[in-house]
Amino acid sequence: GESVGLHLPTLSVQEGDNSIINCAYSNSASDYFIWYKQESGKGPQFIIDIRSNMDKRQGQRVTVLLNKTVKHLSLQIAATQPGDSAVYFCADSISGGYNKLIFGAGTRLAVHP
Amino acid sequence: DAGVIQSPRHEVTEMGQEVTLRCKPISGHNSLFWYRQTMMRGLELLIYFNNNVPIDDSGMPEDRFSAKMPNASFSTLKIQPSEPRDSAVYFCASSSTGVGSNQPQHFGDGTRLSIL
Repeated sequence: GESVGLHLPTLSVQEGDNSIINCAYSNSASDYFIWYKQESGKGPQFIIDIRSNMDKRQGQRVTVLLNKTVKHLSLQIAATQPGDSAVYFCADSISGGYNKLIFGAGTRLAVHP
Repeated sequence: DAGVIQSPRHEVTEMGQEVTLRCKPISGHNSLFWYRQTMMRGLELLIYFNNNVPIDDSGMPEDRFSAKMPNASFSTLKIQPSEPRDSAVYFCASSSTGVGSNQPQHFGDGTRLSIL
């Protein structure tokens, strides 16, 4: 979908809780999906990716789930820490398309002690 | 390993002046992307290159914007003349593109541009 920065949705969690950030994509032909974390004053940082032949992939404290039927992507962060506070973006693309990514609007994650 | 390097980190200039933003992609990456980020419009793709060739510049807002990639290790985004509405953070990203599956784009820390 088209990225719109105004009025970012915010997810507030307590330190130590698990966080789930959701994302919807629109192109049913997309076969590559990626999550980025953006901290204030920095560029988006790659977190984890997943291809369409998978429905789940795990990294360090993060898990990405892909539901192609409803075109939905989620990022789960286990034991959320204050350093996880940032804006999180999902993006999708089509193989063979020069890695061009379509970014979602972003979700702000606020972690409270 | 060095990531994507952008310069300058901050630029403040008066409207009408020429602005040149620079980017050095990760060594070995063959795709390069320029983005603009604002509060109002979020992250917008301006133009991207593959093997130094511009592939799609449909995101470039006006003829005042131009981008070049003279070699695999350097790209510029130029605005001439600049206007206050060009104020934004400009990001460069690079990735490795080959036949088959996609790879992540890696972003620089951006240039914060303010046009007075």
